[in-house]
Amino acid sequence: GQNIDQPTEMTATEGAIVQINCTYQTSGFNGLFWYQQHAGEAPTFLSYNVLDGLEEKGRFSSFLSRSKGYSYLLLKELQMKDSASYLCAVLDSNYQLIWGAGTKLIIKP
Amino acid sequence: GAVVSQHPSWVICKSGTSVKIECRSLDFQATTMFWYRQFPKQSLMLMATSNEGSKATYEQGVEKDKFLINHASLTLSTLTVTSAHPEDSSFYICSVRTGEAGELFFGEGSRLTVL
Repeated sequence: GQNIDQPTEMTATEGAIVQINCTYQTSGFNGLFWYQQHAGEAPTFLSYNVLDGLEEKGRFSSFLSRSKGYSYLLLKELQMKDSASYLCAVLDSNYQLIWGAGTKLIIKP
Repeated sequence: GAVVSQHPSWVICKSGTSVKIECRSLDFQATTMFWYRQFPKQSLMLMATSNEGSKATYEQGVEKDKFLINHASLTLSTLTVTSAHPEDSSFYICSVRTGEAGELFFGEGSRLTVL
């Protein structure tokens, strides 16, 4: 079956750095997405990786290793507004999106 | 990206009634829209793919007669929850796929509470 694993919850301190991991096992791979979802709101797109390596976008970076079936989202200089759930999603060989359950990130002052 | 708008944002209805949720793509002509459902503390679950001018494609386990989808134009798709029951209470979100990576852009979501 297809599976995406991410930690359920993480806690970090304002101003610090946090890394949210995602491992996947899917039938084929056509890219991995990270989305941010604040409580009670719809998800918003953060990043897309289809090749191995690190993609940097401001305070957020996303890394992919296809051979390991692994990705992480790195958040730097954490702000209180970064408190949200972070969803990892993989596009499989049929271009179907497989969603992880999300990681709830709690930022403490 | 695309701008997607949903209406209503919140709806409360009595058990047995039907509720219609609208999804509009404001700046993008969407031949395909996706309807998701999200229960508390769970991830997104794709319910169906809405296809303009043709029948929707439903995911396994989703009753097509209960969740009626109509995609009459390139900018509007509607989801009607028929004979709603408390277990249908959920967060319903529509989306379109566009952009360089084919990323999804979501509407604001519609929170349905069935009493």
